[in-house]
Amino acid sequence: DTEVTQTPKHLVMGMTNKKSLKCEQHMGHRAMYWYKQKAKKPPELMFVYSYEKLSINESVPSRFSPECPNSSLLNLHLHALQPEDSALYLCASSQLPTRDRVLNTEAFFGQGTRLTVV
Amino acid sequence: EDQVTQSPEALRLQEGESSSLNCSYTVSGLRGLFWYRQDPGKGPEFLFTLYSAGEEKEKERLKATLTKKESFLHITAPKPEDSATYLCAVQASSIMRFGAGTRLTVKP
Repeated sequence: DTEVTQTPKHLVMGMTNKKSLKCEQHMGHRAMYWYKQKAKKPPELMFVYSYEKLSINESVPSRFSPECPNSSLLNLHLHALQPEDSALYLCASSQLPTRDRVLNTEAFFGQGTRLTVV
Repeated sequence: EDQVTQSPEALRLQEGESSSLNCSYTVSGLRGLFWYRQDPGKGPEFLFTLYSAGEEKEKERLKATLTKKESFLHITAPKPEDSATYLCAVQASSIMRFGAGTRLTVKP
C-alpha cells in the first residue's frame, strides 16, 4: 500500500476564514512533507517533518501553520490567506534517508487539495 | 545550490514515435534521482528511483537511465495515455528538489 490520503479534495475559503488540510499515511514513513503547486509549475517544498518534529520550514508565511499529531497524520492549518495562496497543496511521505540507508527514499504523494481563496 | 533542469519544456509526439526526456542536475552528494508522472489536477505518481551512474530501470514503455550529470526518460512507442507532465527530482539531504517538468502530449 503506497497510499497517501488527503482531505478535502477541494476547498474554497474566504480571506478571514480558518480551515485545515489533512493528510494520512499508513506506510510507516517517518518523514512527511507539504508542497505547494501553482498551475504549470513544479511542486515547491513548504515544510518537512522528521519523526513528528518540524525539521524544515522553507520560509513559509505564518498564515500557514503545520502540525504533526502522530507518525501517520499531518495537518496544515490555514488562516487569513490571500488570493495568491490559491494552489494545489500536496502532502507526501517517505522513509528518512540516513547514512546507512540510501535506498527506498522515494516520496509518495497524495492527490492534493485544490484550494481557492476568495 | 542544487539545480535540476528538464528539457524540453513541452514535447508533442505521434503515437508510436519514440523519444527521450532529459533531466540535468548539479547537486552535492546525490542520494537519489526520481522520476514522477503527473496528470492535471492530480498528485505526482512515482515512477522510478535511480541511485548511481549507469543504473537503468524499466516499466512498460518507460526506461530511465542515469549518468553523473543527467538522467534520461526514454519513451518507446508511446500511446495517448502516456500524455502527462513528467517531473524529475533530486535528493541530496532530506529535501527533494523538482525540475520544472516536461509536458508530453501523444496524439493518436
